[in-house]
Formats: sequence, structure tokens, C-alpha cells
Amino acid sequence: AQKITQTQPGMFVQEKEAVTLDCTYDTSDPSYGLFWYKQPSSGEMIFLIYQGSYDQQNATEGRYSLNFQKARKSANLVISASQLGDSAMYFCAMREDMDSSYKLIFGSGTRLLVRP
Amino acid sequence: DGGITQSPKYLFRKEGQNVTLSCEQNLNHDAMYWYRQDPGQGLRLIYYSQIVNDFQKGDIAEGYSVSREKKESFPLTVTSAQKNPTAFYLCASSIDAGDKDTQYFGPGTRLTVL
Repeated sequence: AQKITQTQPGMFVQEKEAVTLDCTYDTSDPSYGLFWYKQPSSGEMIFLIYQGSYDQQNATEGRYSLNFQKARKSANLVISASQLGDSAMYFCAMREDMDSSYKLIFGSGTRLLVRP
Repeated sequence: DGGITQSPKYLFRKEGQNVTLSCEQNLNHDAMYWYRQDPGQGLRLIYYSQIVNDFQKGDIAEGYSVSREKKESFPLTVTSAQKNPTAFYLCASSIDAGDKDTQYFGPGTRLTVL
């Protein structure tokens, strides 16, 4: 079975600094997709970034980048130039194919607090 | 604006009652999903639907029921058979366009059983 592990329950970062949120995964499928979502205190899950297992380059979206190390089965999220609004829960997720669709397997999340 | 709406935002239920959570999307997405989130945990899949009038059970479907009579709507009913229904419920949708398909989420409904 596929599994996502996020080992950092909470993280602090100073405003304007970069921070890395860890994510490791376990799968036997040769083809897979990895996602990062942000969940502010309001509760909505906001899609941040996607990395496909066959993508040649690490994904980037604005201040978000994904440090994808396939051999180590890790997909760490890097947030550059942290802002106060980045304070939230962050979830790593993996795509698991089902009969006619797919579901997301989520990690337990990391709570990020940005200090002014 | 296109998006996913869920209502109500907060819902209180007495034990033994059925309640229905609404999920509507105007993104023209084919697939819709219901997830449950418990405190300090990630999301778990309850039900999903690929097309109108068709839906499948997810990992924790017991005590829940759904319908998909319209493409835009995917309501979830939490029945009295659900032993521990207090949780945060999130609806999602996706266009189901291959490997890079992304699920987008609504704002959620927080259900509390009194």
C-alpha cells in the first residue's frame, strides 16, 4: 500500500527566510504523482504544486518548489521568502489509482508558523 | 467565479439523526470526491463519483451515503449508522484529465454531534 510520511509536526521560520517541509513516500508503482496542499485555519485545502514521477525537472510554482529525490523517495516542499500568510498546515499527498478514478493518500501534515 | 461551494459551514447534529452536507461545483469537472479529516490527521476518502448516476465507496464509506443526480452536485448524507461522525468534511472535484489531474477542494463543513 502507498504511504506518505511527514515527520515534522511543527516548524518555525523567520519571515523572509526559506523553509523546507519534509515528505517521504512509499510505493511500488513505477508511475505516480505527488502533491502539496496548504490548509489555513479556515480549513480549505489549497493546491500548491505537483510533481510527476517521470518529470525530468523539479516542479516550481512561484515561491514554491519541490525538491524531488526519486531514489530516496522524498518530495520536500521548499518555500522561499516566507510570508506571514504562509502560516498554515501543509500536507503532502500521493495519487493512488482506483478502478475508474484516483484518490489522494495524505500525510499527517506539518504546521508551519512564520515569525515576524 | 468558478469554484466549489459547501454548505453549511458548521453543522450540529443530535445522535440518531441523519444530516446531509451539500457540495456544488461550477468548474464543469467530471469527478467529485468526499473526504473526512479528523484532528491532527490527513484526509481519508469516503466516496467518489466519476460520472452522473455512478459512485463508488472509498476507504471509510460505512455510515455514509451519496448521490450524483447532476454533474454539479454531490451531496453526502451522514447517517445514524456512522459511529463517530464528528469531523471536518471536505468535498473535491477534478476534471479527470490524466496523470496530472489535480483535485480542487471546497471550504469544508465542520460537523459536530451533540
